[in-house]
Amino acid sequence: KAGVTQTPRYLIKTRGQQVTLSCSPISGHRSVSWYQQTPGQGLQFLFEYFSETQRNKGNFPGRFSGRQFSNSRSEMNVSTLELGDSALYLCASSTVDIEYNEQFFGPGTRLTVL
Amino acid sequence: EDKVVQSPLSLVVHEGDTVTLNCSYEVTNFRSLLWYKQEKKAPTFLFMLTSSGIEKKSGRLSSILDKKELFSILNITATQTGDSAVYLCAVGAYSGAGSYQLTFGKGTKLSVIP
Repeated sequence: KAGVTQTPRYLIKTRGQQVTLSCSPISGHRSVSWYQQTPGQGLQFLFEYFSETQRNKGNFPGRFSGRQFSNSRSEMNVSTLELGDSALYLCASSTVDIEYNEQFFGPGTRLTVL
Repeated sequence: EDKVVQSPLSLVVHEGDTVTLNCSYEVTNFRSLLWYKQEKKAPTFLFMLTSSGIEKKSGRLSSILDKKELFSILNITATQTGDSAVYLCAVGAYSGAGSYQLTFGKGTKLSVIP
């Protein structure tokens, strides 16, 4: 079974631009969560989608948004990029019972904002 | 606010040593505690501990959960250089808004030298 895939793997943007990251979950997984990982803050939860609906949202500004499609693929968007948005963005998928099942992570997208 | 604290932040040992990594937490509506291993790529799942499964073992790795004292430990015996990685502890809980999410600690960086 193929794992979680994320595209692109690396991205360089400048301040003020916007970016869209993509995540394809493991086949059959309907829950997709997004995390931001930085050296200072570690892994922080952004949001979680299930059946095209955002179920949970972390403590991030409205510049961070996401969506999920009917095939469970998910995208996240960051508008008006700031230097502090430079991070590794990880996507994780899980089965419907997310609280009882592990989340499987993708390789991440490394975003650099100049 | 949910909190997960891992200690030590970094650790250097020699091959063959036994190590113990610690994870303490303060969360409301606890559901599960998970351990992940992260090398220079996506975190890979190690264990999930819940009220119904407070002790897990896989090969040289084992973990226990103490729900009364609110901590977990991850033990690695007979360490190998391939065990060098960042070990992440995450706690799954329901937030005040009723949504489920994982809160991660900042990780313990383990370096195993030959």
